[in-house]
Amino acid sequence: NAGVMQNPRHLVRRRGQEARLRCSPMKGHSHVYWYRQLPEEGLKFMVYLQKENIIDESGMPKERFSAEFPKEGPSILRIQQVVRGDSAAYFCASSGLISTDTQYFGPGTRLTVL
Amino acid sequence: AQSVTQLGSHVSVSEGALVLLRCNYSSSVPPYLFWYVQYPNQGLQLLLKYTTGATLVKGINGFEAEFKKSETSFHLTKPSAHMSDAAEYFCAVSDRKRGNRDDKIIFGKGTRLHILP
Repeated sequence: NAGVMQNPRHLVRRRGQEARLRCSPMKGHSHVYWYRQLPEEGLKFMVYLQKENIIDESGMPKERFSAEFPKEGPSILRIQQVVRGDSAAYFCASSGLISTDTQYFGPGTRLTVL
Repeated sequence: AQSVTQLGSHVSVSEGALVLLRCNYSSSVPPYLFWYVQYPNQGLQLLLKYTTGATLVKGINGFEAEFKKSETSFHLTKPSAHMSDAAEYFCAVSDRKRGNRDDKIIFGKGTRLHILP
């Protein structure tokens, strides 16, 4: 019974490149959340998606960041033209349909921008 | 808007001693409250969760927390610390805009727990 999977676990990019982070939710889960953890900070909400829909993107930076959760395949968090300030751990969580359901977190992707 | 304050970014306790990690929240609606634990280079694991009902919530690994509405607190305790409890602990509150769903979670900044031999 696989949990939430994220890949890659570690990603190194140079300034100006694109970063793509993938998240496969737990089996049967159709809700995905992305969070960012900066050094010495707690996790900050970025975006909440259901299949093919963005429900809440109030935590997403206005530029360079986008997220999708297609009908088939993993959820993707995409960061274009990365800058050093994007270096962080990015966590994905998923939940099912039952109200008061728990969010289960993946192991995270640690992005380093050189 | 919801917010969470964790008192003490670092807490040290001796092995076998009581663990007390403090958390205060603010919320305009009855909150859902969580404690998560994060071991180095790993994701977050849910320790326990309060939704409704009994205010004393028992979690995994011997941890428990009590929801005190009058104090807007949700402190985490464990009677006897173990070396394996060394980790970072996050208190969190959910933003329940859409009915009872656990939507986005608002996290505190975390408390790193050190266990002294």
